[in-house]
Amino acid sequence: GQQLNQSPQSMFIQEGEDVSMNCTSSSIFNTWLWYKQDPGEGPVLLIALYKAGELTSNGRLTAQFGITRKDSFLNISASIPSDVGIYFCAGQLRDDKIIFGKGTRLHILP
Amino acid sequence: DTEVTQTPKHLVMGMTNKKSLKCEQHMGHRAMYWYKQKAKKPPELMFVYSYEKLSINESVPSRFSPECPNSSLLNLHLHALQPEDSALYLCASSQGYVGAPEQFFGPGTRLTVL
Repeated sequence: GQQLNQSPQSMFIQEGEDVSMNCTSSSIFNTWLWYKQDPGEGPVLLIALYKAGELTSNGRLTAQFGITRKDSFLNISASIPSDVGIYFCAGQLRDDKIIFGKGTRLHILP
Repeated sequence: DTEVTQTPKHLVMGMTNKKSLKCEQHMGHRAMYWYKQKAKKPPELMFVYSYEKLSINESVPSRFSPECPNSSLLNLHLHALQPEDSALYLCASSQGYVGAPEQFFGPGTRLTVL
């Protein structure tokens, strides 16, 4: 079946560093979504991407829809403590089904 | 109102109990979803309701029974659950199932089955 490969699985960074994570697949997607989930809470939508090549920013977050429609990345600039959490990519397939990546756990070292 | 609410926040139940999870949204969304999420895993789709009709059932055991009384409410009835059903149950909504993939999630119900 279809699956998303999200990497890295976890990251340990210093406050102020930039962060980059990505999702890849062998399937073609119509839409890419990036969510953040804090412990004990539901995922919160960060960015939605609708067109191949699209580059979208939300504050310190920037995400891009790959031109092959099979991948997407999320960058976070100048990380701060509240960026800690789990980041999920999600892709919408042509049949409207949405599948989630396994998540990237972001840790910020004191 | 731009949020999805879920009650209860926590639920502990025995394997012979019957309980219900509730979800509500007032964003005018016409698609609502139930997800199950185990620790350190992504959300796993269980059911999709589109315009108050069940559109997708991802081969979920019959001990989970969804209900959509109206466009704002979504319930999940639980009966004879197993300990392995313990998880975070997330409700989400979107403008529609087709063409509107942005899903807005509630905070979840943490379910423990003893």
